[in-house]
Amino acid sequence: DAKTTQPPSMDCAEGRAANLPCNHSTISGNEYVYWYRQIHSQGPQYIIHGLKNNETNEMASLIITEDRKSSTLILPHATLRDTAVYYCIVGRAGNNRKLIWGLGTSLAVNP
Amino acid sequence: GAGVSQTPSNKVTEKGKYVELRCDPISGHTALYWYRQSLGQGPEFLIYFQGTGAADDSGLPNDRFFAVRPEGSVSTLKIQRTERGDSAVYLCASSLNPSGGYNEQFFGPGTRLTVL
Repeated sequence: DAKTTQPPSMDCAEGRAANLPCNHSTISGNEYVYWYRQIHSQGPQYIIHGLKNNETNEMASLIITEDRKSSTLILPHATLRDTAVYYCIVGRAGNNRKLIWGLGTSLAVNP
Repeated sequence: GAGVSQTPSNKVTEKGKYVELRCDPISGHTALYWYRQSLGQGPEFLIYFQGTGAADDSGLPNDRFFAVRPEGSVSTLKIQRTERGDSAVYLCASSLNPSGGYNEQFFGPGTRLTVL
């Protein structure tokens, strides 16, 4: 079973920030939080990952709570092309083949 | 550069037939993964190769499923005596080297298998 909980769907206005929450209350100390997204009819695409500290790259920011039991993926200026299913996954570094994928959040960016 | 490619993009077969699905990983990627994704679900891990060997095949559902990667590059997923329940999108991914730190997985577009 997946070890994360995400809302099944969310909406966001184009140009606004999209904040996607994820609950991972049973995360272990050596487990990372990974985010992937899957645009319709395509394979998943890596976005970002983190352990304890907040992370930022050219695609998104990842905010992890101090107790590490939840995190938020932030798309700062959502575009229509960001419409996709977003998966939050936990797993150990070096063992990413064992990532357990849940149902994800279907994000709709509206014009 | 070229990404992960998978062929065919669509495969329709009849129950009981044998199918082969091919994956061409990114050049130089030593790790290769196969996943299966049913409609409305997240990807489900099937098997992982490090080089030529199957390092973890714990996700293969039964002995009708088999995968090979004889030269450490191209991989073939083989399904014998297909059943209607095997219908799904089969995804392949590759990464540089997953040992130690994290390497992102690069996914192909998938092969949609339909068993009639």
